[in-house]
Amino acid sequence: GQNIDQPTEMTATEGAIVQINCTYQTSGFNGLFWYQQHAGEAPTFLSYNVLDGLEEKGRFSSFLSRSKGYSYLLLKELQMKDSASYLCAVVDNDYKLSFGAGTTVTVRA
Amino acid sequence: IAGITQAPTSQILAAGRRMTLRCTQDMRHNAMYWYRQDLGLGLRLIHYSNTAGTTGKGEVPDGYSVSRANTDDFPLTLASAVPSQTSVYFCASSDGDPHNEQFFGPGTRLTVL
Repeated sequence: GQNIDQPTEMTATEGAIVQINCTYQTSGFNGLFWYQQHAGEAPTFLSYNVLDGLEEKGRFSSFLSRSKGYSYLLLKELQMKDSASYLCAVVDNDYKLSFGAGTTVTVRA
Repeated sequence: IAGITQAPTSQILAAGRRMTLRCTQDMRHNAMYWYRQDLGLGLRLIHYSNTAGTTGKGEVPDGYSVSRANTDDFPLTLASAVPSQTSVYFCASSDGDPHNEQFFGPGTRLTVL
C-alpha cells in the first residue's frame, strides 16, 4: 500500500516562511507533485519533482530527496491568499497518483 | 466550455437510488480520472481511463462504474447509492504523461441519506 504523511495543520504569520514536510513509502516512485486547494475549490498544480534537489518557482519552492523518501514545500513571503490546503502526491509504479491527506495552512495577519 | 466541468455541483440523494455524475473536458486529454475526497483521507482514486474506450479500477472502485465512449466525457455512476458514498467527487484529466499535471474539475458534493 501507499503511505504518504504530512502534518494536518500549520499556522504562520503574513510575511513569514512556512515549510510543509511530506514523507512517503510507496510501491515505486516516479515523481512527486504538490497541489494547492482552497476551501471548496479544486486542487491546482504547484510543483513537480522527479530528481533530487530544489525547484524554485517564485515564492514557492519544492525539495525532494528520493533516498530519504522526503519532500518539502516552502512558502515564502506568506500572503493571506496562501491560506489553503497543500496536497503532496506521489506517482507510483502504476503511474497513478497517491495523495497525502493534505496540510491546512492558515495565514494570520 | 473551458477546461474541465462537472455536473451537478451538489446533490442530495436517497440511499438505493442510482446517480450519474458527469464530467466533460475540452482539452483533448487522453487520460481522465475520478477521485473522492473525504476529510482526513485525502483524494482517493476511484476509476481512471488512459484513453477513450478503456477504463481501469483505482484504489476504491466498489459501488462505482465508469464509461469512456469518447475523449471528452467520463461519467461516474453509482448504481445503488449508500451513505458511505457521501463525499466530494473530483474529476481530473491529463495528457497521459504521468510526469505532467492533472487538471481538476470543480467537484460535485454528494450527500446520500
